Amino acid sequence: AQTVTQSQPEMSVQEAETVTLSCTYDTSESDYYLFWYKQPPSRQMILVIRQEAYKQQNATENRFSVNFQKAAKSFSLKISDSQLGDAAMYFCAYYGTASKLTFGTGTRLQVTL
Amino acid sequence: DGGITQSPKYLFRKEGQNVTLSCEQNLNHDAMYWYRQDPGQGLRLIYYSQIVNDFQKGDIAEGYSVSREKKESFPLTVTSAQKNPTAFYLCASSFGSVPTYEQYFGPGTRLTVT
Repeated sequence: AQTVTQSQPEMSVQEAETVTLSCTYDTSESDYYLFWYKQPPSRQMILVIRQEAYKQQNATENRFSVNFQKAAKSFSLKISDSQLGDAAMYFCAYYGTASKLTFGTGTRLQVTL
Repeated sequence: DGGITQSPKYLFRKEGQNVTLSCEQNLNHDAMYWYRQDPGQGLRLIYYSQIVNDFQKGDIAEGYSVSREKKESFPLTVTSAQKNPTAFYLCASSFGSVPTYEQYFGPGTRLTVT
């Protein structure tokens, strides 16, 4: 079974600075997808970014980008120019041949002034 | 406005009672999902349904039941057989299978059983 590990329970970043959230996963599959979800205090999950494993190019969505290292099974999320509204729980998730999302335990991001 | 509604936001029940959590979507999505979230853990899949009148067990289906009689609705019943039912429950839907289609989440229901 696939596992997703987020080793940083909490992170803090100053407004306008850059922060990187880590995610590693364990799989023997070659075709899969990786996701980052944001869960703000309202607790409604929001998709931030997704990456197809067959694509070498790292995905980017405005201030959010990923560093996908397939060989190392690493999928980190970089948030540039952090804003107060970025404060939330961030979950890394894996989707493979089991046809379901497997989530990590999350990283709580605090944004300070 | 299109979206997913879950009601109520907070639900309290006595141990030994069955309770049904509501999930309704007006996005015309075919697939719907139920997840459970506990403190310090990620979301875990309980049940999912890709079409009306069909559903499959997820990773932690024991003690739960679902129905999918209408495309818009996917209620989850937490039975008395669920040993630790207190948790946050999230419903989601998508046009089709992930990952081609994005999964949209509802606001969740916090269930407390005492």
